[in-house]
Amino acid sequence: QVQLVQSGAEVKKPGASVKVSCETSGYTFISYGITWIRQAPGQGLEWLGWIDSYNGHTNYAQKFQGRVTMTTETPASTAYMELRRLRSDDTAVYYCARGVGNEGFGYWGQGTLITVSS
Amino acid sequence: QSALTQPASVSGSPQQSITISCTGNTSDIGTNNYVSWYQQHPGKAPKLIIYDVSDRPSGVSNRFSGSKSGNTASLTISGLRAEDEADYFCISYTNSIIRFGGGTKLTVL
Repeated sequence: QVQLVQSGAEVKKPGASVKVSCETSGYTFISYGITWIRQAPGQGLEWLGWIDSYNGHTNYAQKFQGRVTMTTETPASTAYMELRRLRSDDTAVYYCARGVGNEGFGYWGQGTLITVSS
Repeated sequence: QSALTQPASVSGSPQQSITISCTGNTSDIGTNNYVSWYQQHPGKAPKLIIYDVSDRPSGVSNRFSGSKSGNTASLTISGLRAEDEADYFCISYTNSIIRFGGGTKLTVL
């Protein structure tokens, strides 16, 4: 069965960087992109962008341009999302989801809580 | 600020039907049929319940249905059950860009 398993929660100081992994299984990795979405405590969903797992092409939300980098490691069927220059308002649960949105997101990771605090 | 507008909350009694709207514009919902809906229980990842406006993934109850008129998509839940109490989000996909609704909290009375 399709599974997306994310790395564990992290606490970071303002200005630091964080890299979240999303290990996939149960399907052909390069057949689907990976989208990253976050949810601040008690808030709605926010789109960070997606990466095409086949060719590495990325599409970042304008808000995060210059601060986010999405990559993949095909042999490990794993996607990564790095967010730099962290601020307190980056505190959120970060999710990876299979696909880029045109067929909906049928599979999600369990979420990774990133807390930014001094 | 969310690009798509949803009511903050809706409520209904067991067995009743409710409808949640998701309003965008001619640049998103009005452009194509790439609208999806998600159910999210506290502390859980969102679950896809409707995609491409009105299609249901395998395993999702037929009590959930979706539709679209112009720039507004709608999710209808019929025969409300206690377990339907959750947050519901809409998502549109247009020109490789994702837009979210702000979410609607459904309370089953």
